[in-house]
Amino acid sequence: SYELTQPPSVSVSPGQTASITCSGDKLGDKYAGWYQQKPGQSPVLVIYQDTKRPSGIPERFSGSNSGNTATLTISGTQAMDEADYYCQAWDSSTHVVFGGGTKLTVL
Amino acid sequence: QLQLQESGPGLVKPSETLSLTCTVSGGSISSSTYYWGWIRQPPGKGLEWIGTIYYSGSTYYNTSLKSRVTISVDTSKNQFSLKLSSVTAADTAVYSCARLVYGSGLFKSFNYMDVWGKGTTVTVSS
Repeated sequence: SYELTQPPSVSVSPGQTASITCSGDKLGDKYAGWYQQKPGQSPVLVIYQDTKRPSGIPERFSGSNSGNTATLTISGTQAMDEADYYCQAWDSSTHVVFGGGTKLTVL
Repeated sequence: QLQLQESGPGLVKPSETLSLTCTVSGGSISSSTYYWGWIRQPPGKGLEWIGTIYYSGSTYYNTSLKSRVTISVDTSKNQFSLKLSSVTAADTAVYSCARLVYGSGLFKSFNYMDVWGKGTTVTVSS
């Protein structure tokens, strides 16, 4: 089955750039999406099809995907961006697969 | 504005069947554009996809749960449902329903969940 691997945690200072990676075999051959989940809330889609932002998602959120790694980048990180982030992809065998999640700490 | 609402028992006994329903409002479950799915999240853990259904009744299931899962759709009620049999404490989780978008780009396919329900907590305990 297909697997996606994320670092358990990432820390960033306010105003700096945060990068969260998601690794999988030939992930660049698939589209990746990213979800933000704050405590006690449902996940919110922040990036889909590698680089697209849904309506209402701030421009500071961006995505890329190449080779074996997809990356979620948050520019000018704000305290409100502190959350868990999950990558997700479609795979012909697994159908829907999530990464294990990354806790972003803004300190 | 599309909304999804999960409903069902919050407590299920071990070995019994967990049953949940997701009611879709503000849009039609029979739209040819979308699929509908269930995702769960055990306490303190990550997201786990359970399965997906199309309005026609076509389904896809997580292979690790496939032997215990049934997802069905009732277009007349604009609802879809989840049944998970022979539950154990490991099935304790927040269960969420979501709308899925599927598509294809130039060389690759995708799906993603663009609308989520608020989730419902299900505890498996005697």
